Amino acid sequence: EVQLLESGGDLVQPGGSLRLSCAASGFTLNRYAMSWVRQAPGRGLEWVSGISNSGDTTYDADSVKGRFTISRDNSRNTLYLQMNSLRAEDTAVYYCAKGDGTTGYYPLDYWGQGTLVTVSS
Amino acid sequence: DIVMTQSPDSLAVSLGERATINCKSSQNLLFRSTNKNYLGWYQQKPGQPPKLLMYWASTRESGVPDRFSGSGSGTDFTLTISSLQAEDVAVYYCQQYYSSPFTFGPGTKVDIK
Repeated sequence: EVQLLESGGDLVQPGGSLRLSCAASGFTLNRYAMSWVRQAPGRGLEWVSGISNSGDTTYDADSVKGRFTISRDNSRNTLYLQMNSLRAEDTAVYYCAKGDGTTGYYPLDYWGQGTLVTVSS
Repeated sequence: DIVMTQSPDSLAVSLGERATINCKSSQNLLFRSTNKNYLGWYQQKPGQPPKLLMYWASTRESGVPDRFSGSGSGTDFTLTISSLQAEDVAVYYCQQYYSSPFTFGPGTKVDIK
């Protein structure tokens, strides 16, 4: 059974940093691209970042480019999102999602339960 | 960036009736070399993560009831629920995975009339 378990969400001050993790199980992580998708309270889904199966290629939304970095450690079956220079508008539930292929050009077929990031002073 | 729009914002349909959701992209999502539309549909129920319903615009994900169907090509797409059930109350999103950033539509909320 595919499972994705996010962690690392917290309350952080504006300008601060946070690293999210996503532990993957039930499938061979190095065969699939992965993404982070966020959802602000009461709002819709916003795709944030993606990474190819090998980690060679990353994709980012304009809203996070230069501030967020997606990475993966296939040997640890873990996906990461390093978030720097956080802003109030980054407040959201962050979902980890599995792609149905090796690159970002595939649908997201499994999702975690999400982890809440709150940016506030 | 490709902009995704959806209509209507919300709709209320009687149990057993048809629900139709439209999704429009600002650019063509049909990739010539694969002859596939890079468009997916997701269902999100309250308090739950999204769930993939349809991909390549018209392929139903495993386990999804056949009352759900997807159609369209290029820039205009439709998700149809042929006979609405109580468990279909949710917000539905389309997403393009044709080019990065892989944007979502704003969502359509479906309720029971």
